[in-house]
Amino acid sequence: SAVISQKPSRDICQRGTSLTIQCQVDSQVTMMFWYRQQPGQSLTLIATANQGSEATYESGFVIDKFPISRPNLTFSTLTVSNMSPEDSSIYLCSVGKGSQETQYFGPGTRLLVL
Amino acid sequence: ELKVEQNPLFLSMQEGKNYTIYCNYSTTSDRLYWYRQDPGKSLESLFVLLSNGAVKQEGRLMASLDTKARLSTLHITAAVHDLSATYFCAVILTGNQFYFGTGTSLTVIP
Repeated sequence: SAVISQKPSRDICQRGTSLTIQCQVDSQVTMMFWYRQQPGQSLTLIATANQGSEATYESGFVIDKFPISRPNLTFSTLTVSNMSPEDSSIYLCSVGKGSQETQYFGPGTRLLVL
Repeated sequence: ELKVEQNPLFLSMQEGKNYTIYCNYSTTSDRLYWYRQDPGKSLESLFVLLSNGAVKQEGRLMASLDTKARLSTLHITAAVHDLSATYFCAVILTGNQFYFGTGTSLTVIP
């Protein structure tokens, strides 16, 4: 399994500002994933973060809005830039571990943009 | 475009009853996952189904996979209140990218 922590756990931000979310894993992993879960909705994959290369973004998500860093094999950050109320969501990071590549999720960061 | 659909979206059931949640997906995938999410919490892995015909059981929950029909089911036996949560299925494509279903919000009524 994997133990994943995220910071901050929640935040309230003003429109137009940016927030950086940190994700720390207790073991080295090749890929880390960032998801968004809007209120009452399912999870949507934002991007895949590989160490040593640029993140791969899903359709509808761009690097300028959601820059990602992956400085080593246990850590990643996701920045939500120039926020608007529509960015209010839960942001989760996850990693795949084990032969079955089970995805383990962090506790999430609950973001409210006013 | 990959679609992962669940039904029902909302399920209210009496304690002691049985019910099945369905997960349909639109593209070939050899692995399917079921997760549980309690309100305000993150996701907890329940089952990993790796091949056609796979069946796994844990307590009152049993999951199965039919890759030819692109269908997975999560069967609930003799529901209890503790099973109230939102359940998600997810399929995995290349690059270990997960795509989640729409979710089924289950409420078990005493």
